[in-house]
Amino acid sequence: EDQVTQSPEALRLQEGESSSLNCSYTVSGLRGLFWYRQDPGKGPEFLFTLYSAGEEKEKERLKATLTKKESFLHITAPKPEDSATYLCAVQSGGSNYKLTFGKGTLLTVNP
Amino acid sequence: DVKVTQSSRYLVKRTGEKVFLECVQDMDHENMFWYRQDPGLGLRLIYFSYDVKMKEKGDIPEGYSVSREKKERFSLILESASTNQTSMYLCASSFALASGRLSNTGELFFGEGSRLTVL
Repeated sequence: EDQVTQSPEALRLQEGESSSLNCSYTVSGLRGLFWYRQDPGKGPEFLFTLYSAGEEKEKERLKATLTKKESFLHITAPKPEDSATYLCAVQSGGSNYKLTFGKGTLLTVNP
Repeated sequence: DVKVTQSSRYLVKRTGEKVFLECVQDMDHENMFWYRQDPGLGLRLIYFSYDVKMKEKGDIPEGYSVSREKKERFSLILESASTNQTSMYLCASSFALASGRLSNTGELFFGEGSRLTVL
């Protein structure tokens, strides 16, 4: 069974204070790893897809990286508008359609 | 922009009532999904549809059914609502890797959610 564990559960940063969120996963053959952002009261919004170890993707202040066991979402010089819950999901080689989601990291960036 | 629209943002129903949650997407996506999201449990897949009239059970299908009569519309039905079905329900859609194949790019587009309270 695919498993996704995100840490920490919650992270509070000061504006400009860089940090990283972790997503550890166990799958039988990784088809893809996905990062989503979810604002309060809204549905998740897709950010990145990573397919193989060593791959990196960037978008504004966010950078996602992937190893064979985990993914990191690095946040550089965050702003208050980066406050959200960040969700990680995996799709295994054994599934044509199913994504398994982690429980998320709630990020709060204080001005 | 892709738009996934859920019919109701907030619903309050009584135990035993039949509940319909509707979802419409405007990007001609093959795949549509229903998830529920609960604190401490994360997102859990209820049902998935990869084509009109085609459906697959997710992780927690008990107590739910679905209907997909048109490509753009996917409905979730609670035949007899119970208090443990109080939750946030999220609809999503995505492209398949190849039309007609059971597949998913993994890039899901979500609606804003329907918060259901069952009393």
